[in-house]
Amino acid sequence: DAKTTQPPSMDCAEGRAANLPCNHSTISGNEYVYWYRQIHSQGPQYIIHGLKNNETNEMASLIITEDRKSSTLILPHATLRDTAVYYCIVRVMDSSYKLIFGSGTRLLVRP
Amino acid sequence: GAVVSQHPSRVICKSGTSVKIECRSLDFQATTMFWYRQFPKQSLMLMATSNEGSKATYEQGVEKDKFLINHASLTLSTLTVTSAHPEDSSFYICSARDLFATSGGTYNEQFFGPGTRLTVL
Repeated sequence: DAKTTQPPSMDCAEGRAANLPCNHSTISGNEYVYWYRQIHSQGPQYIIHGLKNNETNEMASLIITEDRKSSTLILPHATLRDTAVYYCIVRVMDSSYKLIFGSGTRLLVRP
Repeated sequence: GAVVSQHPSRVICKSGTSVKIECRSLDFQATTMFWYRQFPKQSLMLMATSNEGSKATYEQGVEKDKFLINHASLTLSTLTVTSAHPEDSSFYICSARDLFATSGGTYNEQFFGPGTRLTVL
């Protein structure tokens, strides 16, 4: 699977949008971009995924650049409960179904 | 829906003993489950892929005789840490793939358990 690069940490103010970048410059055409987050001492929580189109759900929006070499996860109105480590993962939709986690971005939402 | 449980949530054992951790998919069937290990302030590391009715596939560097995996049914996988030592102390997390989910599309097919914290004294 392609590797991803994320900033180690970010912070934003409560109520503001949190924009988390992810670089995946070696992504292949059949690889999806997945985002998970992990709140302290819990299992990872699925957020969103996409192939090439922008996606939105009740949790977040995923913006993928046209060349697919990078993406941004947007939490439109961050709350204190969004403080977590966010993982951007690129994976092939093959029979292994593996998710290989990188180091992620530690997001701190400030009051 | 799509809930994965782990038992126990926390376990403390003496060095040399074996510890079994259960991973259950509560409201869906999972032919494939995954086991991860996470040390403090580090990311999740995939240990093995557990397939119902067959042998687990271990990632490079993971001792299969040390970490025994059994996936006897479509809703249960177990990880046994044999002869545990203090360096095995870690946060163990499982995930389960929904058997009937279609990869791709907009549906997420893999769900994580809450984790088991193992402390070996």
